[in-house]
Amino acid sequence: EPEVTQTPSHQVTQMGQEVILRCVPISNHLYFYWYRQILGQKVEFLVSFYNNEISEKSEIFDDQFSVERPDGSNFTLKIRSTKLEDSAMYFCASSEAHGGAAGELFFGEGSRLTVL
Amino acid sequence: RKEVEQDPGPFNVPEGATVAFNCTYSNSASQSFFWYRQDCRKEPKLLMSVYSSGNEDGRFTAQLNRASQYISLLIRDSKLSDSATYLCVVKGSASKIIFGSGTRLSIRP
Repeated sequence: EPEVTQTPSHQVTQMGQEVILRCVPISNHLYFYWYRQILGQKVEFLVSFYNNEISEKSEIFDDQFSVERPDGSNFTLKIRSTKLEDSAMYFCASSEAHGGAAGELFFGEGSRLTVL
Repeated sequence: RKEVEQDPGPFNVPEGATVAFNCTYSNSASQSFFWYRQDCRKEPKLLMSVYSSGNEDGRFTAQLNRASQYISLLIRDSKLSDSATYLCVVKGSASKIIFGSGTRLSIRP
């Protein structure tokens, strides 16, 4: 069964360092998303990406965040200068289409980021 | 008003019980609706889509009321393995898909 894969599964970094989280979405999917979940809290939307550009982003997705699809398979989230409050599980997701049942999201297992 | 609102629970019910969760959403233009399940420290996984006419998948029944902007999930004959957090998910305009904060369900033997 096709799946979304994410690396690394866990990253520990120092405050102020840059972090890149990587995702390989399901191959025939067209829409890509990043979500984050701080421990014990809700799943929060960060950004959606379609046709090589950002479709929508939340207030959380400020200038320290960026996304990129550098090749035909990877989808990356970069955090330029990490803060303590960036510690969270970051989930990548992809979907085949926007709407209806096909708009369902398939999630990767997440990348846990710990900022010290 | 929150974009997607759920009763956080926890719901603690005996095995075999029927339990219902509710969810309200604020954007009347929302297009698609889903229930996801999240186990502790795991990724969310699709439980079922929610269709306008209501739909059933085994022990699970989902209902949508667009007029009241309300979604529900009913679990019949609950099993121990149903213990999880249930996430109401709403697709609004464009490509923004919003999660509710989740309802925790614990099934006791």
